[in-house]
Amino acid sequence: NAGVTQTPKFQVLKTGQSMTLQCAQDMNHNSMYWYRQDPGMGLRLIYYSASEGTTDKGEVPNGYNVSRLNKREFSLRLESAAPSQTSVYFCASSANTGSSYNEQFFGPGTRLTVL
Amino acid sequence: LAKTTQPISMDSYEGQEVNITCSHNNIATNDYITWYQQFPSQGPRFIIQGYKTKVTNEVASLFIPADRKSSTLSLPRVSLSDTAVYYCLVVGGATNKLIFGTGTLLAVQP
Repeated sequence: NAGVTQTPKFQVLKTGQSMTLQCAQDMNHNSMYWYRQDPGMGLRLIYYSASEGTTDKGEVPNGYNVSRLNKREFSLRLESAAPSQTSVYFCASSANTGSSYNEQFFGPGTRLTVL
Repeated sequence: LAKTTQPISMDSYEGQEVNITCSHNNIATNDYITWYQQFPSQGPRFIIQGYKTKVTNEVASLFIPADRKSSTLSLPRVSLSDTAVYYCLVVGGATNKLIFGTGTLLAVQP
């Protein structure tokens, strides 16, 4: 099992460019999440998908869109990148069976720089 | 979701037991307490979670008093490789959402 995979690992964009960050999990998890982490800070939730076919905003959704393509894949799109979106982006998944807390499994991250 | 407060940093030496305390005064009845570890340039990794009393696994123990307004993560006999940021989080609800604070940077020295 690869767990949670993210592509690309690194990306440099110019202001105004668009791009999509890809995330996939092979654990048959119901829920998937996108976070960003700025230097010296904790992670902040951008969007999440509690189950296939649903998406909801997190703490910092402005400037981002998401697509839950299928149960395995959850993509994050920046339509018009801004320097304030320079960050490390983490994708995570959890079983979220609803019985109790289910741990989240994180991907390796994508380092994005917007010039 | 309940806000958590934990020390910004802690220092320790190899072989010592480390206790990191977290306060979460506004924890709700259905909330769980969970701890994650993050190494530089990596995503967080789940360590332990609990609801009340004491929970122990192969890497840590979690102590939660009866009022659940605080919790203590205990790492027995730390090594250099335990140097990391440790996050205390309160989680609840059907969505499993996590709200991260700035965490505690644990520095283990030889």
